[in-house]
Amino acid sequence: DARVTQTPRHKVTEMGQEVTMRCQPILGHNTVFWYRQTMMQGLELLAYFRNRAPLDDSGMPKDRFSAEMPDATLATLKIQPSEPRDSAVYFCASGLVLSGGAFTGELFFGEGSRLTVL
Amino acid sequence: GEDVEQSLFLSVREGDSSVINCTYTDSSSTYLYWYKQEPGAGLQLLTYIFSNMDMKQDQRLTVLLNKKDKHLSLRIADTQTGDSAIYFCAEGGRLTGGGNKLTFGTGTQLKVEL
Repeated sequence: DARVTQTPRHKVTEMGQEVTMRCQPILGHNTVFWYRQTMMQGLELLAYFRNRAPLDDSGMPKDRFSAEMPDATLATLKIQPSEPRDSAVYFCASGLVLSGGAFTGELFFGEGSRLTVL
Repeated sequence: GEDVEQSLFLSVREGDSSVINCTYTDSSSTYLYWYKQEPGAGLQLLTYIFSNMDMKQDQRLTVLLNKKDKHLSLRIADTQTGDSAIYFCAEGGRLTGGGNKLTFGTGTQLKVEL
């Protein structure tokens, strides 16, 4: 049963600490998205990658957030230093874009990493 | 830029029909989607409609698309307590070329009461 795996599921940390969230996309998927969900803002796109290359990270505060794909099986989202306003659920999702750019838009989401920054 | 809007809450009685509405701005989307999020879980694709269609039916689900008004709706017939969730409308998807990201609405919390 192929699924997107995210770790940690829950993280409580203090302001100023570094937080790293990890995602294992579905094997064979070539596109990975990071979303953040809060009550106030809903679902916001932070960054996305295709074939491990970042395509768009305009939704991410660049001074403290960074997103990478060290290899095809791992995507990371790092916050340094973390702030209370970063408290949210962070979702990773993966999908498959076919050669030529065709994409049906079916994304497979992980269960999310719930971050609380005190 | 793209914008997708939905009402925040909907409450219905079990057995009634639910209709969740959505408006969007990007008329170039090839597909429009409905995703469902159950408590404590990620989003899951529920159904989608190709932009040249105006209706799609899948068991208890009916999707209506009014391209002229950029309005999308999801009707759930015979709503059950298990349908209680947040429903997200999304636009995006392309048959060719770039722009592969989806833009999601704010989500509509559906509460089904006995």
